Amino acid sequence: NAGVMQNPRHLVRRRGQEARLRCSPMKGHSHVYWYRQLPEEGLKFMVYLQKENIIDESGMPKERFSAEFPKEGPSILRIQQVVRGDSAAYFCASSHGDRGWPQHFGDGTRLSIL
Amino acid sequence: AQKVTQAQTEISVVEKEDVTLDCVYETRDTTYYLFWYKQPPSGELVFLIRRNSFDEQNEISGRYSWNFQKSTSSFNFTITASQVVDSAVYFCALSEARGDMRFGAGTRLTVKP
Repeated sequence: NAGVMQNPRHLVRRRGQEARLRCSPMKGHSHVYWYRQLPEEGLKFMVYLQKENIIDESGMPKERFSAEFPKEGPSILRIQQVVRGDSAAYFCASSHGDRGWPQHFGDGTRLSIL
Repeated sequence: AQKVTQAQTEISVVEKEDVTLDCVYETRDTTYYLFWYKQPPSGELVFLIRRNSFDEQNEISGRYSWNFQKSTSSFNFTITASQVVDSAVYFCALSEARGDMRFGAGTRLTVKP
């Protein structure tokens, strides 16, 4: 499967734990975006990264959330000290270039906080 | 400010009916891109179409067609002869200078047999 790969597909955490969501972009794509989708809502932009750089993190909460896209390996979205309100589907998308290029989405990670 | 408005929260039609999903956007950029994505019940997001702001030609792909009108800032999506498999949530999205996409709230389409 040459598409965007996200894992895990489902993640359950207790309040206060850390959640790590992984995203491997499509082959040849160097632009990665993370979005959050709350139940019955649309997708909300969180962060835009290129290799080793955060380009735009204006949609990311200032505390507990961080993202990286290292030179080697997948992009990671990390949520520390999770709370119930973090329960959502987190989608990663990748594109060949910046704006205007279609973003291809992974299947998402469904995060549930107990 | 809301960038992309999909006023129809839910639409229900009977198979073989035509249905139009509305999308109105807001931007000050002269160069921008518009997208439609489909999210079936399985949850993944499927890219349907991209349009740049300089191309107002309507597009048809099988039973799908899109009507882009800059004068009304609209990018509407029509499904002709709808089928049960078209049941999904459809999102319209706008990409401006920064590159990230702003999504509308989505329209849930239910096609009944």
